[in-house]
Amino acid sequence: SAVISQKPSRDICQRGTSLTIQCQVDSQVTMMFWYRQQPGQSLTLIATANQGSEATYESGFVIDKFPISRPNLTFSTLTVSNMSPEDSSIYLCSVSGTGGAYTEAFFGQGTRLTVV
Amino acid sequence: GDSVTQMEGPVTLSEEAFLTINCTYTATGYPSLFWYVQYPGEGLQLLLKATKADDKGSNKGFEATYRKETTSFHLEKGSVQVSDSAVYFCALSSNSGGYQKVTFGIGTKLQVIP
Repeated sequence: SAVISQKPSRDICQRGTSLTIQCQVDSQVTMMFWYRQQPGQSLTLIATANQGSEATYESGFVIDKFPISRPNLTFSTLTVSNMSPEDSSIYLCSVSGTGGAYTEAFFGQGTRLTVV
Repeated sequence: GDSVTQMEGPVTLSEEAFLTINCTYTATGYPSLFWYVQYPGEGLQLLLKATKADDKGSNKGFEATYRKETTSFHLEKGSVQVSDSAVYFCALSSNSGGYQKVTFGIGTKLQVIP
């Protein structure tokens, strides 16, 4: 299993500002994933972060809006840039192994973001 | 691509009632199947899983059986409690480019009343 620490747990931000969310894993993992959960909705994958390379973004998400860093095998950050009220969501970090090391996804507690 | 179809809620039950939340999936290959639970104000927790056909996952009185012939993974519990009130997500995991990619259903909110 993997234990994921995510911070901040929640924040209230002014529109037009940016927030960086940190995700720390207690073991080395190749892939880390960032999800968004809008109010009353399911989880939508934003991007996949592989250590040592640029993140891969899903359709509808772009690097300028959601830049991601992955400096080592246990840490990643997601920045929500130039925020608007539509960005109010829960953002979740997740890990999953390669080659069958894990078959399930493990999640951080999430960051509840409110943009005013 | 992969997809998960889950019954929409909310589902409201009285305590000790029987629970079924339906889930069907579409995937290539042989995915693993999961149920995650999200309690109010918290992140997602794995509730149970099944990694191959006819496997039954179980935990905390909940169970689900991997039915390949009907591509289903319905969640059941014989007697729900107020503390089971949460949102339940059906999900599948399949190999994509060397890693396990997870696809989630829309989530079903369960409310159990005393």
